[in-house]
Amino acid sequence: EDQVTQSPEALRLQEGESSSLNCSYTVSGLRGLFWYRQDPGKGPEFLFTLYSAGEEKEKERLKATLTKKESFLHITAPKPEDSATYLCAVHLPNSGGSNYKLTFGKGTLLTVNP
Amino acid sequence: ETGVTQTPRHLVMGMTNKKSLKCEQHLGHNAMYWYKQSAKKPLELMFVYSLEERVENNSVPSRFSPECPNSSHLFLHLHTLQPEDSALYLCASSSTVTGSYGYTFGSGTRLTVV
Repeated sequence: EDQVTQSPEALRLQEGESSSLNCSYTVSGLRGLFWYRQDPGKGPEFLFTLYSAGEEKEKERLKATLTKKESFLHITAPKPEDSATYLCAVHLPNSGGSNYKLTFGKGTLLTVNP
Repeated sequence: ETGVTQTPRHLVMGMTNKKSLKCEQHLGHNAMYWYKQSAKKPLELMFVYSLEERVENNSVPSRFSPECPNSSHLFLHLHTLQPEDSALYLCASSSTVTGSYGYTFGSGTRLTVV
């Protein structure tokens, strides 16, 4: 069973068309939720960390929010350069031998057309 | 430059070859990770090292052999790989001391097994 589920798998937007990406998780006791951006052929780039329900973080056209069971990445008036895969990851309690392992979702591929 | 450097960026190897992937970080982090990224799948954790000691091995086949000689360097030794091992191999580091648990990723090594 997936512990981190991202939706949609792919999203196409027109430039300026705002939307949201979703990341839901099925465990309790979350220690942190992370958003990353990944461009083709590159490693993921850190965007945000959220720790508690109700928390919000913003960076340029991106805003991340967190509830007890999910997180949203809101994209306001996106531009073509926002096209990338957006990954969500959670830091779960009792993560086996390492207490600092992140568990990732499959990602949402965002394409913004000019 | 992300602070985590991986070499080589691309690698093509035959199934009988032996090669090594290298990762280097100068961020003062005390934990390093190898992840495998395949198409349509979440990032898969392979190995975790904390303070140069392997703390997790996620049932990875023995044809993958990690080495962490010091807190700044991490290697992944490869031998007798299979075509299904073709993927993007990502190295990451983090600081468990600060408690943020966010990773800094390298750009990855694109491995093709022929």
